[in-house]
Amino acid sequence: DAKTTQPPSMDCAEGRAANLPCNHSTISGNEYVYWYRQIHSQGPQYIIHGLKNNETNEMASLIITEDRKSSTLILPHATLRDTAVYYCIVRGYNTDKLIFGTGTRLQVFP
Amino acid sequence: GAVVSQHPSWVICKSGTSVKIECRSLDFQATTMFWYRQFPKQSLMLMATSNEGSKATYEQGVEKDKFLINHASLTLSTLTVTSAHPEDSSFYICSATTGVGNTIYFGEGSWLTVV
Repeated sequence: DAKTTQPPSMDCAEGRAANLPCNHSTISGNEYVYWYRQIHSQGPQYIIHGLKNNETNEMASLIITEDRKSSTLILPHATLRDTAVYYCIVRGYNTDKLIFGTGTRLQVFP
Repeated sequence: GAVVSQHPSWVICKSGTSVKIECRSLDFQATTMFWYRQFPKQSLMLMATSNEGSKATYEQGVEKDKFLINHASLTLSTLTVTSAHPEDSSFYICSATTGVGNTIYFGEGSWLTVV
């Protein structure tokens, strides 16, 4: 599986947009970018995924660069409840596995 | 989203005993389930992949005789930690999917403490 690189931690003010970057420079053409988050002492929560087009759902937006070597997860209006570890994962289309890296610890402050 | 439930949420057992953790997909049929463990302040580590009706596939370094995984139905997988020791104390998390390429959903996790 392609590996991802994320900053270990980020801060964001409540109400502001949180932009979480992820590098996946070795991604293959049929590999998807998935984002999950884990709030303390809970199981990971699915956020969003994409292949090459930008995606948006009720939780977040995913912006994937044209060369697909990096992406950004955007939480448009961060709340205190968005404080969590965010994982960017590259997953092959024919692969079931999700291999977690170290993620980004997002702290939203009042 | 789809719901995956684990039971128990936390368990304390004595060293040398075995403990079973259940993982259920409540509103979908899970052809594949996964088991992870997570130590404090660390990321999730994949332990094994189980497909309904077949033997689990374990990741390198995971003892299959110690961590018994059964996936007898499309909605239930169990992880049994045999002869548990204090170093097995961890957060165990399962996940499930309806098939290759489909979204994977996670359970709430189960805390195991071996005393």
